[in-house]
Formats: sequence, C-alpha cells, structure tokens
Amino acid sequence: GAVVSQHPSWVICKSGTSVKIECRSLDFQATTMFWYRQFPKQSLMLMATSNEGSKATYEQGVEKDKFLINHASLTLSTLTVTSAHPEDSSFYICSARMRGLAGKNIQYFGAGTRLSVL
Amino acid sequence: DQQVKQNSPSLSVQEGRISILNCDYTNSMFDYFLWYKKYPAEGPTFLISISSIKDKNEDGRFTVFLNKSAKHLSLHIVPSQPGDSAVYFCAATKNDYKLSFGAGTTVTVRA
Repeated sequence: GAVVSQHPSWVICKSGTSVKIECRSLDFQATTMFWYRQFPKQSLMLMATSNEGSKATYEQGVEKDKFLINHASLTLSTLTVTSAHPEDSSFYICSARMRGLAGKNIQYFGAGTRLSVL
Repeated sequence: DQQVKQNSPSLSVQEGRISILNCDYTNSMFDYFLWYKKYPAEGPTFLISISSIKDKNEDGRFTVFLNKSAKHLSLHIVPSQPGDSAVYFCAATKNDYKLSFGAGTTVTVRA
C-alpha cells in the first residue's frame, strides 16, 4: 500500500504555544489530504479536508483559526494547532487520498501524532 | 449523527477460528465501504474494501460481505491469528469521498 509519513509522532508543549504537524505522501501524489482527531476509545473525527493549492474545508464545529491547515504541494500538508490549550490534547491523524483501480478513492493514514499540552 | 455503527465494542476469538465483525449504516447513498485495522498509537491501516455493486470481496484471509437491502456489512477473518488483535473500523463513503467511520471493534485473538 501507499506510505504516508506523519511527523512528529509525539509532542509535548506548554499552554499557549503553537505546534505544527506534517503529513507527507511518500510514494504518490495526494490531491486531497484529511485531518482527523481521535479521543480515547472513540472513532476518528474528521476535522478538515485539505486540497492542494486551495483553502481547507473544515467540518462543523472545528475552528479554522485554531487549526490552521496548509497544503503547499501534492505531497505535503501541515496542521498547526495555534495557542494550544490542555483541551487540545489528543491524537491527530492525517490521511492522503489515492485513486484506486476501480476509480474509487482509498485513504491511507499516517501513524498519528500524540499531542500533550501542559 | 452516527451514520456508520459498529454495535459490538469488542470481540474475543480463539486462534485459528473465524472472526466476524459487523457494521450497519443508515445512509443509502453510501457507495463504497472500507475496513481499517488500527493498533494503539498508530494510524489505521487499510484492509479491504467493497463497492456497492458487489456483495462479496475476498483478499487472502479477509472477506467482506455487503447486504445492501439490510444496510449491513461484515468482515470475516479466517483463520484468526494473534497479530490480528487490534481495533477494526468500518468506514463508508459516497462520491464526495469523505469517510464516515464506525466506533470500532476491538478484536482479541486468544492463543
């Protein structure tokens, strides 16, 4: 399968600081990348859809000024958690969409980033 | 509104036996369904998928069955192996490519 790299895998920061998470598709071009958040023992919650060269589309209830997304190239999307607070502590996962043989799109996921805000 | 539901939070199965995971959905517009496997502190790994025009898809030890009239799909793993112990997510999408995930089922394979 396709490889998606996510960095860093774990970050601890002080309240009020900003944290940037990178998501890269290593062996394919991803026109669309997705950012999810997962709370303990819950499913993945889609935060936003990131399209290369255009503004991200945020899901209802997700603050766009809080979670800045940049999709600068076909292989890189970044999520910046601005002025992080303890309630932002979570597991963030990115995915990249790859066109499948049948024309349907399969999302391949990064390994995730554990964010802990003190 | 949870459009994809996995009503069994956990499943325990003996090594070598069959694991059957179930998933129900409410949106009849979904046209593509996927199963992902996830280990703790890792991202989900794609396992197998099925289009709504089919009722079965098989890949090695994994088989997915789709019953459109019942809005139900299942994943069969046979034989189950210790490395299959993980959380399994069912996901569905329609043409707008956003995935809707179920809550997941934790599978434990006993030796």
